[in-house]
Amino acid sequence: GAGVSQTPSNKVTEKGKYVELRCDPISGHTALYWYRQSLGQGPEFLIYFQGTGAADDSGLPNDRFFAVRPEGSVSTLKIQRTERGDSAVYLCASGIAGGRTDTQYFGPGTRLTVL
Amino acid sequence: GQNIDQPTEMTATEGAIVQINCTYQTSGFNGLFWYQQHAGEAPTFLSYNVLDGLEEKGRFSSFLSRSKGYSYLLLKELQMKDSASYLCAVRETEGSYIPTFGRGTSLIVHP
Repeated sequence: GAGVSQTPSNKVTEKGKYVELRCDPISGHTALYWYRQSLGQGPEFLIYFQGTGAADDSGLPNDRFFAVRPEGSVSTLKIQRTERGDSAVYLCASGIAGGRTDTQYFGPGTRLTVL
Repeated sequence: GQNIDQPTEMTATEGAIVQINCTYQTSGFNGLFWYQQHAGEAPTFLSYNVLDGLEEKGRFSSFLSRSKGYSYLLLKELQMKDSASYLCAVRETEGSYIPTFGRGTSLIVHP
């Protein structure tokens, strides 16, 4: 596609539930990044994929968060036993090749609200 | 680790010029990005500086001084549509080269 797409655009769930957020990167981009952004803050890094593998998952806050990218294109961020503090906008970005010269192109985000 | 500092909010008049500053502290610098983010939308790439000096792109320019840990984004001929948050992000030489973002500067342009 022309840009990074994310679905759903909005997700409301109850505390303790499981959610999946999807990211479809720009075609041909091998690098994929997940961030989350709280109101009034900049994006906070969660995980970075290079192809199918997670090259850096140091930003995942705890083991309730997990992400996959099985075919090196679409990625899914999975959150188990959601908590109210997980409420945020989850942004996905893709880049041509990752690494020290990469530029990230962001999707519109998924707004997650945990009640 | 990094420490990135930007003003929280700025206001300016349509047609004017505004300068948004970003200071940073990092153990190994490998580039600085500026993004524009309208409310409820994705951050949009504006500029990338890795060497000292001024990069001009239309109404927007970005400046970098590595020795001072300092950058600014200059917006000329302000338009109402420039009202947005402007994010500064710094990439380090270590690790996976993932940029770290500042909190953003909310720019309000009024008539």
